[in-house]
Amino acid sequence: EAQVTQNPRYLITVTGKKLTVTCSQNMNHEYMSWYRQDPGLGLRQIYYSMNVEVTDKGDVPEGYKVSRKEKRNFPLILESPSPNQTSLYFCASSFTGVAGYTFGSGTRLTVV
Amino acid sequence: GDSVTQMEGPVTLSEEAFLTINCTYTATGYPSLFWYVQYPGEGLQLLLKATKADDKGSNKGFEATYRKETTSFHLEKGSVQVSDSAVYFCATSGGYQKVTFGTGTKLQVIP
Repeated sequence: EAQVTQNPRYLITVTGKKLTVTCSQNMNHEYMSWYRQDPGLGLRQIYYSMNVEVTDKGDVPEGYKVSRKEKRNFPLILESPSPNQTSLYFCASSFTGVAGYTFGSGTRLTVV
Repeated sequence: GDSVTQMEGPVTLSEEAFLTINCTYTATGYPSLFWYVQYPGEGLQLLLKATKADDKGSNKGFEATYRKETTSFHLEKGSVQVSDSAVYFCATSGGYQKVTFGTGTKLQVIP
């Protein structure tokens, strides 16, 4: 089944403790992206990648890092999480942007 | 940069009522336009899309027409069902990697 898999689904962590949210897609898509969803703000793009080793900042990249060492994987790294990064995070992938994105099921992160 | 404006929700309708969710956008060039749907506890799913002016996207009884002259992409459905209750997002893509979403409109359909 074609899908984008994110892990974990839920995560509670403490301020400053490094964490990684994994994202993997099995559709051989070149384009991958991370979004955060907050009430009243919709989805905002954090980082995106157009291919292996090619990444760029989205609208809200501060406090996040990404890497794209393999085509299928696009992990999101929070080096020193803070409470304002409490949010619902989505990974998405696409063959081409005009075809639309396939989204993962989301990761609900709480930073205390 | 690009922006998308959706009507405020929540929208509450009775089953079999007609649905319209308004969406307008600002973008340079000729963006592609999308509607995504998010059911409770799930990720977004692509509902329909249109890639050029006057295109009509359709899926599962939902339709939207790309209106370049009014920069709009309103979502419509002739007869909603309880199972259509969800949050609907309008989005524009001016480039392969840059997708701009609206804030979402929650639809609640009551029996």
